[in-house]
Amino acid sequence: GNSVTQMEGPVTLSEEAFLTINCTYTATGYPSLFWYVQYPGEGLQLLLKATKADDKGSNKGFEATYRKETTSFHLEKGSVQVSDSAVYFCCTGGGNKLTFGTGTQLKVEL
Amino acid sequence: ETGVTQTPRHLVMGMTNKKSLKCEQHLGHNAMYWYKQSAKKPLELMFVYNFKEQTENNSVPSRFSPECPNSSHLFLHLHTLQPEDSALYLCASSQVPPYDSGNTIYFGEGSWLTVV
Repeated sequence: GNSVTQMEGPVTLSEEAFLTINCTYTATGYPSLFWYVQYPGEGLQLLLKATKADDKGSNKGFEATYRKETTSFHLEKGSVQVSDSAVYFCCTGGGNKLTFGTGTQLKVEL
Repeated sequence: ETGVTQTPRHLVMGMTNKKSLKCEQHLGHNAMYWYKQSAKKPLELMFVYNFKEQTENNSVPSRFSPECPNSSHLFLHLHTLQPEDSALYLCASSQVPPYDSGNTIYFGEGSWLTVV
């Protein structure tokens, strides 16, 4: 079956720092790839997605590129804010299966 | 506002109580889900309904009983729970799988359950 591996957290950054959260996956075929974000006390929200190789998903300053050759979908943001503090989940969707990573907590400090 | 509404947001229940969690989606989707999120554990898929029919039950104990009367509503009936069942229960909806073309799942804000 599919699997998703995310970097362990928490990741602690200062405001305006550059963010990378690594995500790699194993899957058969050509899954869709997603990043979800969970703010404190809330459910998961879709942040961005990509459906085929070399697609770049972007939203709210976050970006991730579907890299088929390295089976990766790393999340990046050029300048994080305190309000970006949350847990980020990488996810693959293929066939009838959605597979979530374990989540990476991001803490952004002033 | 994600279009998926869960009630109650917080629930405290004793081990002998019977309670229910409710979920409603306003997105016109045909698939609905229950997930369990516990501290320091991966997100656990519990149940999936496609067009009101249960298509997945991930070995969930029978003290959790789902009900899907129509494509817009999903319930989780709770009976004689254990303290280890305390968690955030997330409802979600989507168009019916497959997911390959970017079919996206939308989550509610969750119901925090504490079993005492």
